[in-house]
Amino acid sequence: KAGVTQTPRYLIKTRGQQVTLSCSPISGHRSVSWYQQTPGQGLQFLFEYFSETQRNKGNFPGRFSGRQFSNSRSEMNVSTLELGDSALYLCASSLVLATDTQYFGPGTRLTVL
Amino acid sequence: GIQVEQSPPDLILQEGANSTLRCNFSDSVNNLQWFHQNPWGQLINLFYIPSGTKQNGRLSATTVATERYSLLYISSSQTTDSGVYFCAVLLRRDDKIIFGKGTRLHILP
Repeated sequence: KAGVTQTPRYLIKTRGQQVTLSCSPISGHRSVSWYQQTPGQGLQFLFEYFSETQRNKGNFPGRFSGRQFSNSRSEMNVSTLELGDSALYLCASSLVLATDTQYFGPGTRLTVL
Repeated sequence: GIQVEQSPPDLILQEGANSTLRCNFSDSVNNLQWFHQNPWGQLINLFYIPSGTKQNGRLSATTVATERYSLLYISSSQTTDSGVYFCAVLLRRDDKIIFGKGTRLHILP
């Protein structure tokens, strides 16, 4: 089976812009979670989607949003980018819920200038 | 809020050595996972271990949920074991996932 794929792998944006990141889970996996990794804050949970519904959300401002499509692919959007949004954004898929074993994609490295 | 503390923060070992990484958590959890992030940033799930002991080759893990800690054992270390090891817990009270800060392991050839 193919692993979790994320696109794009690298992205450079300027403050105030918005960005959309994409994640394709492992075939058959229905849960997709998003995480932000920064040197200062480490790994932080953003949100989890299951069957096109947001099941759980971390402590991030409303500028961070996401959605899941019927084929389980997921996108996350960050509006009005700030310098502090520069990070590695990781997507993970699991069979049913985030309580199952998670498999991570390679990440999208976002740089905000 | 819940604390997930990993120790030691850094570890440098010679190839062939054994090591024990620890993860302490301050709240009840439904799930605990160990991950390895390689030097290229790829996170790999090692164990899903809410309780008990599991082994996979040179790696094994033990979680004692009642005492709120988990241990990851690495035996006969190889240079490919280098990277950062994270534990992550799924909180019982709100299903949120919290990661520890990680243990950075460097295996010298």
